[in-house]
Amino acid sequence: DVKVTQSSRYLVKRTGEKVFLECVQDMDHENMFWYRQDPGLGLRLIYFSYDVKMKEKGDIPEGYSVSREKKERFSLILESASTNQTSMYLCASSKIQGRGNQPQHFGDGTRLSIL
Amino acid sequence: SQQGEEDPQALSIQEGENATMNCSYKTSINNLQWYRQNSGRGLVHLILIRSNEREKHSGRLRVTLDTSKKSSSLLITASRAADTASYFCATGLSGGSYIPTFGRGTSLIVHP
Repeated sequence: DVKVTQSSRYLVKRTGEKVFLECVQDMDHENMFWYRQDPGLGLRLIYFSYDVKMKEKGDIPEGYSVSREKKERFSLILESASTNQTSMYLCASSKIQGRGNQPQHFGDGTRLSIL
Repeated sequence: SQQGEEDPQALSIQEGENATMNCSYKTSINNLQWYRQNSGRGLVHLILIRSNEREKHSGRLRVTLDTSKKSSSLLITASRAADTASYFCATGLSGGSYIPTFGRGTSLIVHP
């Protein structure tokens, strides 16, 4: 069965720390995505990647960076964590198949708290 | 930017009743997808309907799409307590963009 695995379900970090969130998929999908989810705001796209070493900014990239050195792994980096980055972070992957969107497969999320 | 918006924001029903939630969007799409999210978990894909389709079924789920009104509906028939979750629509823009854009979701509570 399809699987997207996020390295931590819960994470607590301090302001100013550099934080790494890891995501691994086992489906050989080309596309990978990082979202954050906040109450009342829905899912907002931070970054996505459509190939190894390729990345595109989403709607809210400020304060974040990403890394995709291998096809199966997509990392989200908070360069200097701040309290307003406390949120639920969701990783997803999808396959490129012809034109149009293919269903996304999501991990279970990482609930990150910045103190 | 958010493309789809679900309505209502919250829905509370009894087990056995039908649940209907709607999604409206603003620009042309090539498909529309519905997802479910159980509390504290990731989203799970339910169904995809293409812009040239009007209705699609999957088990107890029925999805309709009206491109002239730029809206879709998700009907869950004979709901169960296990259907309690948030439901999101995601639209794929025309032009082949592979970045679905999600709405804020409908929170469904099914009372046993």
